[in-house]
Amino acid sequence: GQNIDQPTEMTATEGAIVQINCTYQTSGFNGLFWYQQHAGEAPTFLSYNVLDGLEEKGRFSSFLSRSKGYSYLLLKELQMKDSASYLCAVTTGGFKTIFGAGTRLFVKA
Amino acid sequence: DGGITQSPKYLFRKEGQNVTLSCEQNLNHDAMYWYRQDPGQGLRLIYYSQIVNDFQKGDIAEGYSVSREKKESFPLTVTSAQKNPTAFYLCASSSIWDRANTEAFFGQGTRLTVV
Repeated sequence: GQNIDQPTEMTATEGAIVQINCTYQTSGFNGLFWYQQHAGEAPTFLSYNVLDGLEEKGRFSSFLSRSKGYSYLLLKELQMKDSASYLCAVTTGGFKTIFGAGTRLFVKA
Repeated sequence: DGGITQSPKYLFRKEGQNVTLSCEQNLNHDAMYWYRQDPGQGLRLIYYSQIVNDFQKGDIAEGYSVSREKKESFPLTVTSAQKNPTAFYLCASSSIWDRANTEAFFGQGTRLTVV
């Protein structure tokens, strides 16, 4: 079967750094995405990895290891507005995009 | 402005009725998707389509139907066969062929409640 695993919840302090991990097992791979979703809203795109390595975008970075089926999203200089769910998604062979259950991040003062 | 539009934002349905959720995009995307999200859960794939007049079942297609008669439109019908239809429904679209820009763009979602 195909599955994507992420921690259910994480808590971090304002100004700190947090790493959200994602492991996946899929039939085929055409890219891994991270999305942010605030409660009651649609997800918004954060980052995309298709090759191994680190992609950096301001306070957000994402890493991919295809051989390990592993990715992480790194959030630096945490702000209160970063409290949200973070969704890991994989586009498989056939361009079917499946999502993990999401990680709810709570940022405390 | 290019984007993806879902309507309505809130929808109430009586048990036993079919209801159709609208999704339109003007991003010239080939792929379109329907997801269901339950409270505190991730997104589960209902149906997806890569080209006009073709679509595939996702992981939870039972009780749902779709059509893709135009590139811009991918409506979802929630039928009376869907036993637990109350949920947040998200439509998304993406480019398949532009490898540098394949992220999904989402509509604002439709919150369906069965009364």
